[in-house]
Amino acid sequence: KAGVTQTPRYLIKTRGQQVTLSCSPISGHRSVSWYQQTPGQGLQFLFEYFSETQRNKGNFPGRFSGRQFSNSRSEMNVSTLELGDSALYLCASSLWDAATNEKLFFGSGTQLSVL
Amino acid sequence: DQQVKQNSPSLSVQEGRISILNCDYTNSMFDYFLWYKKYPAEGPTFLISISSIKDKNEDGRFTVFLNKSAKHLSLHIVPSQPGDSAVYFCAAKLPGFGNEKLTFGTGTRLTIIP
Repeated sequence: KAGVTQTPRYLIKTRGQQVTLSCSPISGHRSVSWYQQTPGQGLQFLFEYFSETQRNKGNFPGRFSGRQFSNSRSEMNVSTLELGDSALYLCASSLWDAATNEKLFFGSGTQLSVL
Repeated sequence: DQQVKQNSPSLSVQEGRISILNCDYTNSMFDYFLWYKKYPAEGPTFLISISSIKDKNEDGRFTVFLNKSAKHLSLHIVPSQPGDSAVYFCAAKLPGFGNEKLTFGTGTRLTIIP
């Protein structure tokens, strides 16, 4: 069974640009969550999608948005990039959600550098 | 407000010895705790978990201990092996639906010295 696939692996952008990251969850998984990882901050929750609906959102500005398609694939968009957006963006999928204590399956992440 | 804290950013342990990674939390409502392990250039992978109704859970060389009164979680790895060198994240979950209820610590980088 293929794991969680994130593309691209690396991305370099300049301030003010926008970026779209893609995530394909494990087949059959309907929940997709996005996390931002920066040194010293751990994994910060961005948002979660379940059956094409955003279930909840973390404490991030509106420049961060996402969507989920009918095949459960998800995209994350960041507009008007800032230097502080440089981070590893991780996508995680699960069958249901954390309420059932399902463990999360993470992709390898997209390393975004904003210059 | 960091509700889940891993106060040691790094830890070095001799191969064959015990590695103890610590995690403290502030919210007594957390009811489920997990540890994830992350190698460079890979995403975190689930390692072991424990429910708040237990105080210990074992899986092979890995044991997680929960001290609810101290709001403290620890992961013991024995014996430590070179392949255990990675960043370890603890995570704590509140009851209910939604992954926004899952809070991760900042991680501890474990280095096993051969």
